[in-house]
Amino acid sequence: DTGVSQDPRHKITKRGQNVTFRCDPISEHNRLYWYRQTLGQGPEFLTYFQNEAQLEKSRLLSDRFSAERPKGSFSTLEIQRTEQGDSAMYLCASSFSQVNTEAFFGQGTRLTVV
Amino acid sequence: AQTVTQSQPEMSVQEAETVTLSCTYDTSENNYYLFWYKQPPSRQMILVIRQEAYKQQNATENRFSVNFQKAAKSFSLKISDSQLGDTAMYFCAFMANNAGNMLTFGGGTRLMVKP
Repeated sequence: DTGVSQDPRHKITKRGQNVTFRCDPISEHNRLYWYRQTLGQGPEFLTYFQNEAQLEKSRLLSDRFSAERPKGSFSTLEIQRTEQGDSAMYLCASSFSQVNTEAFFGQGTRLTVV
Repeated sequence: AQTVTQSQPEMSVQEAETVTLSCTYDTSENNYYLFWYKQPPSRQMILVIRQEAYKQQNATENRFSVNFQKAAKSFSLKISDSQLGDTAMYFCAFMANNAGNMLTFGGGTRLMVKP
């Protein structure tokens, strides 16, 4: 296992289109996180899963956003009716569930909405 | 809610010298952890160092050390013998003990190591 992988690395879409990103965590990790990072800012938490259960969602996650982790392995993040303000880097991370365990990040998916 | 503030948007240091990056945070939690993450250009974020709030001793990892001042809610990172490969964005992050390992990040400091 080479770490957390995200696909695609880059996505350009027209405003109003739907996009879906995929994250494959480190296989032994039962927790998976999504963060959003806008240019020049630190990542902001969006949501996280423990196994297939979505346990927490940020208020940043509007109803146009949906995340799934159907079998407790990979996860998808879908954005419907994209807006220019959705342009950002979307980061995925995974970890074990023990407190203070290190989170490993993927390289992110950079979304540009034109 | 927690907040993390990094007051230095950009810093530079000469190769082999020492640099300190600042971080302050605000929380009402008693049990928490603090982290410094490094994000090199176009590469993924990696953990540099972590500190448990209940430990008084400052964490050290090779050339990286922290100065943790719990009362002042300050958590600075010192990089000794800076190397060109240290050039990156550095993020300070906070995690409450009961927060599902969710991280709250500061805005980052862009560090440039000059040859």
